Amino acid sequence: GAGVSQSPRYKVAKRGQDVALRCDPISGHVSLFWYQQALGQGPEFLTYFQNEAQLDKSGLPSDRFFAERPEGSVSTLKIQRTQQEDSAVYLCASSLRSGVNTGELFFGEGSRLTVL
Amino acid sequence: AQKITQTQPGMFVQEKEAVTLDCTYDTSDQSYGLFWYKQPSSGEMIFLIYQGSYDEQNATEGRYSLNFQKARKSANLVISASQLGDSAMYFCAMREGRNTGNQFYFGTGTSLTVIP
Repeated sequence: GAGVSQSPRYKVAKRGQDVALRCDPISGHVSLFWYQQALGQGPEFLTYFQNEAQLDKSGLPSDRFFAERPEGSVSTLKIQRTQQEDSAVYLCASSLRSGVNTGELFFGEGSRLTVL
Repeated sequence: AQKITQTQPGMFVQEKEAVTLDCTYDTSDQSYGLFWYKQPSSGEMIFLIYQGSYDEQNATEGRYSLNFQKARKSANLVISASQLGDSAMYFCAMREGRNTGNQFYFGTGTSLTVIP
């Protein structure tokens, strides 16, 4: 497709369950970001990839969160032993290049995670 | 300190009127980019407008314009001739120039309601 694709769109998990969220960025986009957006809040940065290299993971809230982009295209955000506070929309975004003057981020529709 | 501050949690505007959504930012970088995104209730993030820190002219995109006041570190969004479809959350964002430009910060957002 032409845009950023995320799956699943909705995920309900029991507390303690592991989840995996997938992001398929726009073809050829170098930069890939993951954000967490709690209800009524702005997106909070989680992690950033430039191609397959994870250059910044400073926003990951705990070691239960892990992200990878092994071939520089599709990325997976994994959350182990989910907790209720992990409930949020997880947004993936990509941009063609890295650097500040390279235009906007293109966002997926997000994966809404609800932890019961 | 917050990188992006949006002080208006909610705004109302009459249809066909203009509205200004406030945004201030904090950076010590000389090179940075400022962005506005719209997020309707459906959840997708829609890019609206971009302003580079070295751009001398205020950015405009159709009914959207960015009132960029560098000395005040403000980047207010002006929407002219408001339409009912403009009702949404609006997020101001900044991308800094340091390192690989991977820092992309969002504000907490302003909820805009257009009244018929």
